[in-house]
Amino acid sequence: GNSVTQMEGPVTLSEEAFLTINCTYTATGYPSLFWYVQYPGEGLQLLLKATKADDKGSNKGFEATYRKETTSFHLEKGSVQVSDSAVYFCALSEENYGQNFVFGPGTRLSVLP
Amino acid sequence: NAGVTQTPKFQVLKTGQSMTLQCAQDMNHEYMSWYRQDPGMGLRLIHYSVGAGITDQGEVPNGYNVSRSTTEDFPLRLLSAAPSQTSVYFCASRQQGKWANEQFFGPGTRLTVL
Repeated sequence: GNSVTQMEGPVTLSEEAFLTINCTYTATGYPSLFWYVQYPGEGLQLLLKATKADDKGSNKGFEATYRKETTSFHLEKGSVQVSDSAVYFCALSEENYGQNFVFGPGTRLSVLP
Repeated sequence: NAGVTQTPKFQVLKTGQSMTLQCAQDMNHEYMSWYRQDPGMGLRLIHYSVGAGITDQGEVPNGYNVSRSTTEDFPLRLLSAAPSQTSVYFCASRQQGKWANEQFFGPGTRLTVL
């Protein structure tokens, strides 16, 4: 069945460091891919998405490129801030899978000043 | 526009008690779902609904019931709470018909079963 694997962390970085959170997926068809962010005590909110191969999603300085050949959707940011401290979830949704989302386990990021 | 709302925010139950977690959305979304979030396991789908009167099971449905009598509301019922149901529960909604539509999440209900 469909699945999402991501580095679990926790990841601790200094402010202005470069961030990469790896995400790989398994799907039977052609999924859409998402990154969600969860700030402490809150629900999940969409960070970015990509709907087809080679698409790049971007938002708030974060980027991720849909790589079909490596089944990956790695999240990157060139210079993290303390306010980026949160849990990040990679997810996929596929029409052949009832359009339900499948989430990775989440990666906790802590950014130190 | 309140988005997705959930009540209560926190709840403590004893084993065997029953309760209903409330979820409502005001975006006229056809698709609604319930997830539980446990450490290291991401979010797992409990039940979902593609419209009023239509519900289906997700990955971990045992011990939970749902109904969808209106487009706006999608309550989750725990029939006889067990410690294994201690978790954070999230309700979500989105437009139906295109799988690339984002899901909108509520703030969550933190449930502890003693």
